[in-house]
Amino acid sequence: EADIYQTPRYLVIGTGKKITLECSQTMGHDKMYWYQQDPGMELHLIHYSYGVNSTEKGDLSSESTVSRIRTEHFPLTLESARPSHTSQYLCASSVGQGVEAFFGQGTRLTVV
Amino acid sequence: AQSVAQPEDQVNVAEGNPLTVKCTYSVSGNPYLFWYVQYPNRGLQFLLKYITGDNLVKGSYGFEAEFNKSQTSFHLKKPSALVSDSALYFCAVRPGGYQKVTFGTGTKLQVIP
Repeated sequence: EADIYQTPRYLVIGTGKKITLECSQTMGHDKMYWYQQDPGMELHLIHYSYGVNSTEKGDLSSESTVSRIRTEHFPLTLESARPSHTSQYLCASSVGQGVEAFFGQGTRLTVV
Repeated sequence: AQSVAQPEDQVNVAEGNPLTVKCTYSVSGNPYLFWYVQYPNRGLQFLLKYITGDNLVKGSYGFEAEFNKSQTSFHLKKPSALVSDSALYFCAVRPGGYQKVTFGTGTKLQVIP
C-alpha cells in the first residue's frame, strides 16, 4: 500500500457548508494532484501542485481551491458545497517523470 | 495536446480465457505509458509502465502490456483471466519532458466464472 492518505473516506454534508478534504503523503513526493471522478467513470484533473507554494488549476473547472504549504499536505476546500459537487475525489502524488503516481483511497462526498 | 483512448467501455471474458484491454494514445515525442486498476470504492493502483526499452512490459498480478509505436497502442493483456481481475482499468500517458498525466476514460473488465 502506498503512503498517501485521504480523510474522510465518506462525507455527507448539507448545501452551503464549507468543507476541507485532507490529503497527506509521507513519501516526500514533490508533485500532488486532485482528481474528480463520478462513479465508475473517467478521472478529471482539477488541481495539481509541483511543490510547496505551487498550485495550478487542472483540466476540469472546479469551484474548489487548494493549498500547498507543506510538501506532505495538499488539502482541497469547498467554500460552499452544492449538490453538483457530489462525487468521488482522489488525491495522488508522484516524483520524477517516468515514475507512476500513487493514489489515496478517495473521499466520496455527498452534498444534500 | 496529448490524449488517450480506451475504445471499449466494458470487456467481458470467461474465467481462464486470455484478456485484452485496449489503449491508444496521441502524444508528441516519446511517451511514458501507464496502466492502473481500480477496485470498487478504492483509489487507483499501479499495474505497470513503459518508459523505454523492451516493448513487452510485465507488471503486477500477471498482467503485461505491449507498446507498439507504429500503432500508438499500449494494450493490456493477461494470459488467463481470474474473477478477481474484475475491476475498472485506466490507461494513462505522460509525454516525455512534461509533468501532467492524461488518463483514458476507463474500461470495466468483467470476468465471468
